[in-house]
Amino acid sequence: GEDVEQSLFLSVREGDSSVINCTYTDSSSTYLYWYKQEPGAGLQLLTYIFSNMDMKQDQRLTVLLNKKDKHLSLRIADTQTGDSAIYFCAEKPMDSSYKLIFGSGTRLLVRP
Amino acid sequence: NAGVTQTPKFQVLKTGQSMTLQCAQDMNHEYMSWYRQDPGMGLRLIHYSVGAGITDQGEVPNGYNVSRSTTEDFPLRLLSAAPSQTSVYFCATGGLAGFATGELFFGEGSRLTVL
Repeated sequence: GEDVEQSLFLSVREGDSSVINCTYTDSSSTYLYWYKQEPGAGLQLLTYIFSNMDMKQDQRLTVLLNKKDKHLSLRIADTQTGDSAIYFCAEKPMDSSYKLIFGSGTRLLVRP
Repeated sequence: NAGVTQTPKFQVLKTGQSMTLQCAQDMNHEYMSWYRQDPGMGLRLIHYSVGAGITDQGEVPNGYNVSRSTTEDFPLRLLSAAPSQTSVYFCATGGLAGFATGELFFGEGSRLTVL
């Protein structure tokens, strides 16, 4: 079945880079996503990557996709305290038109 | 522009009671959905709709009913609440064209506790 796994917690110092990792099981996934959840709020889409891409860069965010290992990562450069949040990886399986499968989320804590 | 509005924000129920979580959107989105968020388990899809009069089940539909009589509203009904339904519930909406690229708009969540 479909499953998305993430580590639960990451702590970094302000100004350092953060790397949040995700593994997924469905090799047919067409799109993969990163969402951010700030305290007391719903999720917001940060970025997405199509399955035929290896990398996508958007300002401070870099997404790397390794399809062979079914591994997705999100790198945040120059991490700021405002980046402290929970980050969710999600996939869109090919056989599901309107369903997304979410990971359990990684809580990022940025220390001053 | 209100976006996605969920009510209530907090609710405590006793086992066996019924209630409805409301979700309203003013963005004319075709797609509306309900997720539950539990610690260590991420978000799981309960039910979704791609338009008025159309609903479908997600990963965890048991114990929940939905209907979509208008484009704007997508209520989630718990007919007989159980402690296992203690969770934070999120409504998410979006246009069908933007769904593939993950363009979902989430409400602020409704925290439900069932005693």
